Amino acid sequence: DAEITQSPRHKITETGRQVTLACHQTWNHNNMFWYRQDLGHGLRLIHYSYGVHDTNKGEVSDGYSVSRSNTEDLPLTLESAASSQTSVYFCASSRTTGEFSTDTQYFGPGTRLTVL
Amino acid sequence: SQQGEEDPQALSIQEGENATMNCSYKTSINNLQWYRQNSGRGLVHLILIRSNEREKHSGRLRVTLDTSKKSSSLLITASRAADTASYFCATPSNTGKLIFGQGTTLQVKP
Repeated sequence: DAEITQSPRHKITETGRQVTLACHQTWNHNNMFWYRQDLGHGLRLIHYSYGVHDTNKGEVSDGYSVSRSNTEDLPLTLESAASSQTSVYFCASSRTTGEFSTDTQYFGPGTRLTVL
Repeated sequence: SQQGEEDPQALSIQEGENATMNCSYKTSINNLQWYRQNSGRGLVHLILIRSNEREKHSGRLRVTLDTSKKSSSLLITASRAADTASYFCATPSNTGKLIFGQGTTLQVKP
Protein backbone atom coordinates (compact mmCIF):
# COMPACT_ATOMS: atom_id res chain seq x y z
CA ASP A 1 0.00 0.00 0.00
CA ALA A 2 1.13 3.52 -0.72
CA GLU A 3 2.19 5.51 2.30
CA ILE A 4 4.02 8.56 3.57
CA THR A 5 6.71 8.12 6.18
CA GLN A 6 8.78 10.48 8.28
CA SER A 7 12.05 9.95 10.07
CA PRO A 8 13.15 10.24 12.72
CA ARG A 9 9.95 10.14 14.80
CA HIS A 10 11.67 11.86 17.69
CA LYS A 11 14.76 14.05 17.68
CA ILE A 12 16.57 15.99 20.37
CA THR A 13 19.22 18.41 19.25
CA GLU A 14 21.13 21.42 20.48
CA THR A 15 20.81 25.04 19.53
CA GLY A 16 22.88 25.90 16.48
CA ARG A 17 23.06 22.42 15.02
CA GLN A 18 21.84 21.59 11.54
CA VAL A 19 19.00 19.11 11.50
CA THR A 20 17.34 17.34 8.58
CA LEU A 21 13.93 15.70 8.82
CA ALA A 22 13.09 13.16 6.16
CA CYS A 23 9.78 12.70 4.37
CA HIS A 24 9.17 9.92 1.85
CA GLN A 25 5.95 9.16 -0.01
CA THR A 26 5.10 6.29 -2.30
CA TRP A 27 1.85 7.80 -3.61
CA ASN A 28 3.72 9.30 -6.59
CA HIS A 29 2.14 12.63 -5.66
CA ASN A 30 3.38 15.81 -7.26
CA ASN A 31 2.72 17.98 -4.24
CA MET A 32 4.44 17.76 -0.88
CA PHE A 33 4.12 19.99 2.16
CA TRP A 34 5.80 20.56 5.48
CA TYR A 35 3.86 21.89 8.46
CA ARG A 36 4.66 22.57 12.05
CA GLN A 37 2.06 22.15 14.77
CA ASP A 38 2.21 24.08 18.01
CA LEU A 39 -0.34 24.60 20.76
CA GLY A 40 -2.42 27.65 20.04
CA HIS A 41 -1.30 27.89 16.41
CA GLY A 42 -2.73 24.85 14.74
CA LEU A 43 -0.95 23.75 11.58
CA ARG A 44 1.33 26.26 9.92
CA LEU A 45 2.82 25.74 6.49
CA ILE A 46 6.62 25.92 6.32
CA HIS A 47 7.51 24.99 2.73
CA TYR A 48 5.85 23.19 -0.12
CA SER A 49 6.69 21.75 -3.50
CA TYR A 50 4.55 21.21 -6.59
CA GLY A 51 7.07 18.94 -8.29
CA VAL A 52 10.70 18.01 -8.78
CA HIS A 53 13.03 21.00 -8.42
CA ASP A 54 10.11 23.21 -7.33
CA THR A 55 10.05 24.67 -3.81
CA ASN A 56 8.01 27.48 -2.28
CA LYS A 57 7.97 29.29 1.02
CA GLY A 58 5.03 28.99 3.35
CA GLU A 59 3.96 31.30 6.14
CA VAL A 60 6.74 30.31 8.59
CA SER A 61 9.71 29.52 6.36
CA ASP A 62 12.46 31.49 8.13
CA GLY A 63 15.20 29.16 9.37
CA TYR A 64 14.03 26.25 7.22
CA SER A 65 14.90 25.00 3.76
CA VAL A 66 13.77 22.17 1.49
CA SER A 67 14.93 20.63 -1.75
CA ARG A 68 13.07 18.33 -4.15
CA SER A 69 15.38 16.18 -6.21
CA ASN A 70 12.86 13.41 -6.88
CA THR A 71 9.13 12.83 -6.62
CA GLU A 72 9.24 10.73 -3.47
CA ASP A 73 11.26 12.86 -1.05
CA LEU A 74 11.10 16.33 0.46
CA PRO A 75 13.64 16.67 3.27
CA LEU A 76 13.29 19.62 5.62
CA THR A 77 16.49 21.21 6.92
CA LEU A 78 16.86 23.47 9.91
CA GLU A 79 20.06 25.33 9.09
CA SER A 80 20.83 26.36 12.67
CA ALA A 81 18.31 24.98 15.11
CA ALA A 82 16.72 27.37 17.58
CA SER A 83 14.61 26.67 20.67
CA SER A 84 11.68 28.35 18.91
CA GLN A 85 11.78 25.50 16.41
CA THR A 86 10.84 22.94 19.04
CA SER A 87 7.63 21.56 17.59
CA VAL A 88 5.93 18.64 15.94
CA TYR A 89 6.57 18.54 12.21
CA PHE A 90 4.24 16.94 9.70
CA CYS A 91 4.84 16.14 6.09
CA ALA A 92 1.92 15.74 3.70
CA SER A 93 1.38 15.02 0.04
CA SER A 94 -1.42 15.38 -2.48
CA ARG A 95 -1.96 14.51 -6.11
CA THR A 96 -3.10 17.91 -7.29
CA THR A 97 -3.59 21.28 -5.76
CA GLY A 98 -5.29 24.52 -6.62
CA GLU A 99 -8.34 26.52 -5.76
CA PHE A 100 -10.62 23.95 -7.40
CA SER A 101 -8.77 20.84 -6.33
CA THR A 102 -10.75 18.29 -4.38
CA ASP A 103 -7.73 16.17 -3.61
CA THR A 104 -7.06 15.42 0.01
CA GLN A 105 -3.73 15.65 1.70
CA TYR A 106 -2.15 12.52 3.13
CA PHE A 107 -0.15 13.10 6.27
CA GLY A 108 2.86 11.38 7.71
CA PRO A 109 2.98 10.37 11.39
CA GLY A 110 5.01 13.41 12.43
CA THR A 111 8.43 14.13 13.92
CA ARG A 112 8.68 15.54 17.41
CA LEU A 113 11.72 17.83 17.50
CA THR A 114 13.16 19.26 20.69
CA VAL A 115 15.86 21.91 20.49
CA LEU A 116 17.73 22.38 23.77
CA SER B 1 -4.54 35.13 7.76
CA GLN B 2 -6.55 32.27 9.16
CA GLN B 3 -8.99 30.92 6.63
CA GLY B 4 -10.77 28.40 8.81
CA GLU B 5 -11.66 28.93 12.45
CA GLU B 6 -13.19 26.11 14.45
CA ASP B 7 -15.60 26.51 17.31
CA PRO B 8 -15.56 25.42 20.07
CA GLN B 9 -11.86 24.96 20.76
CA ALA B 10 -12.64 22.08 23.10
CA LEU B 11 -15.66 19.87 23.61
CA SER B 12 -16.29 17.16 26.20
CA ILE B 13 -19.28 14.84 25.95
CA GLN B 14 -20.47 11.45 27.14
CA GLU B 15 -20.38 8.38 24.93
CA GLY B 16 -23.57 8.12 22.91
CA GLU B 17 -24.14 11.87 22.71
CA ASN B 18 -23.80 13.86 19.52
CA ALA B 19 -20.87 16.21 18.95
CA THR B 20 -21.12 19.31 16.79
CA MET B 21 -18.15 21.37 15.65
CA ASN B 22 -18.30 24.51 13.59
CA CYS B 23 -15.93 26.08 11.13
CA SER B 24 -16.04 29.60 9.74
CA TYR B 25 -14.01 30.84 6.82
CA LYS B 26 -13.38 34.19 5.20
CA THR B 27 -13.22 33.92 1.42
CA SER B 28 -15.22 32.12 -1.24
CA ILE B 29 -14.31 28.47 -1.56
CA ASN B 30 -14.75 25.64 -3.98
CA ASN B 31 -14.80 22.99 -1.29
CA LEU B 32 -14.18 22.42 2.40
CA GLN B 33 -12.58 19.40 4.00
CA TRP B 34 -12.62 17.98 7.50
CA TYR B 35 -9.71 16.08 9.01
CA ARG B 36 -9.24 14.17 12.24
CA GLN B 37 -6.06 13.91 14.28
CA ASN B 38 -5.65 11.30 16.96
CA SER B 39 -3.17 12.10 19.70
CA GLY B 40 0.40 11.69 18.46
CA ARG B 41 -0.64 10.99 14.88
CA GLY B 42 -0.91 12.80 11.59
CA LEU B 43 -4.15 14.19 10.20
CA VAL B 44 -6.53 11.88 8.40
CA HIS B 45 -9.05 13.05 5.85
CA LEU B 46 -12.68 12.50 6.86
CA ILE B 47 -14.93 14.14 4.33
CA LEU B 48 -15.05 16.78 1.63
CA ILE B 49 -18.05 18.93 0.79
CA ARG B 50 -18.22 20.97 -2.38
CA SER B 51 -19.54 24.51 -2.56
CA ASN B 52 -22.66 23.38 -4.45
CA GLU B 53 -23.54 20.86 -1.74
CA ARG B 54 -25.43 21.76 1.43
CA GLU B 55 -25.11 18.52 3.31
CA LYS B 56 -23.09 15.34 3.09
CA HIS B 57 -23.09 12.14 5.10
CA SER B 58 -20.47 9.51 5.75
CA GLY B 59 -21.34 6.88 8.31
CA ARG B 60 -21.92 8.69 11.60
CA LEU B 61 -20.58 11.94 10.18
CA ARG B 62 -22.78 14.68 8.81
CA VAL B 63 -21.28 17.81 7.32
CA THR B 64 -23.20 20.91 6.35
CA LEU B 65 -22.04 23.90 4.39
CA ASP B 66 -23.63 27.33 4.31
CA THR B 67 -21.78 29.41 1.76
CA SER B 68 -23.89 32.49 2.50
CA LYS B 69 -22.66 32.44 6.09
CA LYS B 70 -19.24 31.08 5.16
CA SER B 71 -19.57 28.32 7.70
CA SER B 72 -19.58 24.55 7.97
CA SER B 73 -20.45 22.16 10.72
CA LEU B 74 -19.38 18.61 11.47
CA LEU B 75 -21.79 16.46 13.42
CA ILE B 76 -20.71 13.14 14.89
CA THR B 77 -23.72 11.13 15.97
CA ALA B 78 -23.75 8.51 18.72
CA SER B 79 -20.19 9.32 19.68
CA ARG B 80 -17.76 6.69 20.90
CA ALA B 81 -14.64 6.91 23.02
CA ALA B 82 -12.65 6.20 19.85
CA ASP B 83 -13.92 9.51 18.40
CA THR B 84 -11.73 11.33 20.92
CA ALA B 85 -9.43 13.41 18.71
CA SER B 86 -8.88 16.86 17.30
CA TYR B 87 -10.91 17.86 14.28
CA PHE B 88 -9.79 20.39 11.70
CA CYS B 89 -11.50 22.07 8.80
CA ALA B 90 -9.45 23.01 5.77
CA THR B 91 -10.10 25.12 2.70
CA PRO B 92 -8.09 25.65 -0.50
CA SER B 93 -6.63 29.12 -0.80
CA ASN B 94 -6.62 31.08 -4.04
CA THR B 95 -2.97 30.12 -4.46
CA GLY B 96 -3.83 26.47 -4.17
CA LYS B 97 -2.58 25.67 -0.70
CA LEU B 98 -4.81 24.02 1.87
CA ILE B 99 -5.40 26.26 4.87
CA PHE B 100 -6.20 24.56 8.17
CA GLY B 101 -8.08 25.95 11.13
CA GLN B 102 -6.78 25.58 14.66
CA GLY B 103 -9.01 22.63 15.41
CA THR B 104 -11.57 21.46 17.93
CA THR B 105 -10.42 18.99 20.56
CA LEU B 106 -13.15 16.46 21.26
CA GLN B 107 -13.14 14.25 24.33
CA VAL B 108 -15.71 11.48 24.52
CA LYS B 109 -16.01 10.04 27.99
CA PRO B 110 -16.93 6.34 28.28
